[in-house]
Amino acid sequence: AQKVTQAQTEISVVEKEDVTLDCVYETRDTTYYLFWYKQPPSGELVFLIRRNSFDEQNEISGRYSWNFQKSTSSFNFTITASQVVDSAVYFCALVSNFGNEKLTFGTGTRLTIIP
Amino acid sequence: DSGVTQTPKHLITATGQRVTLRCSPRSGDLSVYWYQQSLDQGLQFLIQYYNGEERAKGNILERFSAQQFPDLHSELNLSSLELGDSALYFCASGRLAGGPETQYFGPGTRLLVL
Repeated sequence: AQKVTQAQTEISVVEKEDVTLDCVYETRDTTYYLFWYKQPPSGELVFLIRRNSFDEQNEISGRYSWNFQKSTSSFNFTITASQVVDSAVYFCALVSNFGNEKLTFGTGTRLTIIP
Repeated sequence: DSGVTQTPKHLITATGQRVTLRCSPRSGDLSVYWYQQSLDQGLQFLIQYYNGEERAKGNILERFSAQQFPDLHSELNLSSLELGDSALYFCASGRLAGGPETQYFGPGTRLLVL
């Protein structure tokens, strides 16, 4: 069985502050992929990043960065210099168990950026 | 824009009715996945089709069924609707049948059962 935990239900920060969204996962598989998706108020799910279990290198994309640590089964997401447009629900997801490629999602973190 | 289209965007219906949700995958994608997002259950995988064949099944109710047509569009049929079926239904598409891949989601169909 696999599980994704996003313990932070809601976070509010003032614009331009940095914010980190936590994601902890559980899987028995040695090969797996982790994802982050963004769900803005309009409702669609927007893909942000995919990371495989063999690549622990951190990734930076503009104001976004991701920290993957297998030792703690965590895949955390940091937004630097937050903006109002970053307000959304963010989901962490996991795929393992090759042959059944369903995404297992966390419960999401609602991020509100206060202007 | 992910390239995945879903219709209708909103649907309001009554208990006991049947509805059909439609999804067109991105050009070149052969896999279609259906997910349900509700307040109490979160985002749950329902079913996957690859090139017209059912490939994986999740927590899909027997009242629900899906199919993928030769042109690769997919339909999710929900019957004998109950109040608890009110949710946002997403379709996602991908290129592969095997191996984890990035799933690109459509805008969703918001279903309200009254």
